[in-house]
Amino acid sequence: EVQLVESGGGLVQPGGSLRLSCAASGFRVDINYMSWVRQAPGKGLEWVSIVFSGGTTSYADSVKGRFIISRDSSRNTLYLQMNGLRVEDTAVYYCTKDTARGWHVDYWGQGTLVTVSS
Amino acid sequence: QSALTQPPSASGSPGQSVTISCTGTSSDLGNYNFVSWYQQHPGRAPKLIIYDVNQRPSGVPDRFSGSKSGYTASLTVSGLQAEDEADYYCSSYAGNNKGVFGTGTKVSVL
Repeated sequence: EVQLVESGGGLVQPGGSLRLSCAASGFRVDINYMSWVRQAPGKGLEWVSIVFSGGTTSYADSVKGRFIISRDSSRNTLYLQMNGLRVEDTAVYYCTKDTARGWHVDYWGQGTLVTVSS
Repeated sequence: QSALTQPPSASGSPGQSVTISCTGTSSDLGNYNFVSWYQQHPGRAPKLIIYDVNQRPSGVPDRFSGSKSGYTASLTVSGLQAEDEADYYCSSYAGNNKGVFGTGTKVSVL
């Protein structure tokens, strides 16, 4: 059974850093496409970043240069290192397992809340 | 990377049908058939209900159907049921290994 469990969210001041983790089970993160999607309170979904099975990464323009997506095959865990956080980064961050054929999310984690505030 | 455009709300009575539109551009939805739809109930993670424009994952009722014409994709929910009341989001591949979601539509069952 596929499971995704995010952790690492919390309250951080503007300009600060935070690292989110997503522990996966039921499949291997290093041979699948994995993404982060976020949702600001009361707002819609926003695509954030993806890491492909070959290791190529991509980012939304809103986070490029500040966020880094990575994975650890030994821990079967996906990460999102978030630097230079801004108030507008406040959101629930979802870890997702994506299809390798096309472009859609097959599985979602439960999400972890990141609040950026002074 | 502008969000795809959806109507803020839609509604219908039980048993009726409701159709939600999702409009993009030539850079995203208009150029790819990788359109998906997600259902999200309050406080829950989204759930995939349509992928590749009109494909249903196993377990999704055939009351849900998708289509696309030009720059606009549509999700139709037929035979509305109380449990269909939720937020619905479209999504598309946007080229250059990036994705984009729609603005979201709140469906109410009257």
